Amino acid sequence: DTAVSQTPKYLVTQMGNDKSIKCEQNLGHDTMYWYKQDSKKFLKIMFSYNNKELIINETVPNRFSPKSPDKAHLNLHINSLELGDSAVYFCASSQAIADQETQYFGPGTRLLVL
Amino acid sequence: AQKITQTQPGMFVQEKEAVTLDCTYDTSDPSYGLFWYKQPSSGEMIFLIYQGSYDQQNATEGRYSLNFQKARKSANLVISASQLGDSAMYFCAMSLHTGKLIFGQGTTLQVKP
Repeated sequence: DTAVSQTPKYLVTQMGNDKSIKCEQNLGHDTMYWYKQDSKKFLKIMFSYNNKELIINETVPNRFSPKSPDKAHLNLHINSLELGDSAVYFCASSQAIADQETQYFGPGTRLLVL
Repeated sequence: AQKITQTQPGMFVQEKEAVTLDCTYDTSDPSYGLFWYKQPSSGEMIFLIYQGSYDQQNATEGRYSLNFQKARKSANLVISASQLGDSAMYFCAMSLHTGKLIFGQGTTLQVKP
């Protein structure tokens, strides 16, 4: 019954590796997002997709590549991981793109790069 | 520039009392949404309450209410009858027409028994 789910929950990896985080929502929403929460708890949007189309692409290094195979899924692939990529990554979804739409968040993926 | 400011890094409240968490925002867009999220120590982000920029009345959801003062550009969260389970970090956020959520720095609330 989980609305927005992410896998894995924890990810510990070495610098230079490539890793992926998966996100799925069963709310029937059209829009999905990736946010990054840094060590100071600051949250910032990275990407958003609407109906599999990229809408928002913030100033994120191109080592980060989102992929949306369908409306219910938004994955995040990270190449050549760096120490500074250590953070909590949240997936979220909303019914549509609009300022009044509530975004529902997944449980987060805690990434630690050693 | 669009910005959300939460000036209280940490707050304490006695159990069963009310507490107000401050939030001010800055935007030139006429249409926007204001949200509050709760992040307990377990880490998940829980949606609490929403206020639209055109809403005339303050939003309420159970023990949560949003004190929306448009002229002052403030959207304070009021939690009534605090419970121990309210201890968490609280984020104020603003949504624009692109769907982008801009978050404040967060306020850590501790409820004392």
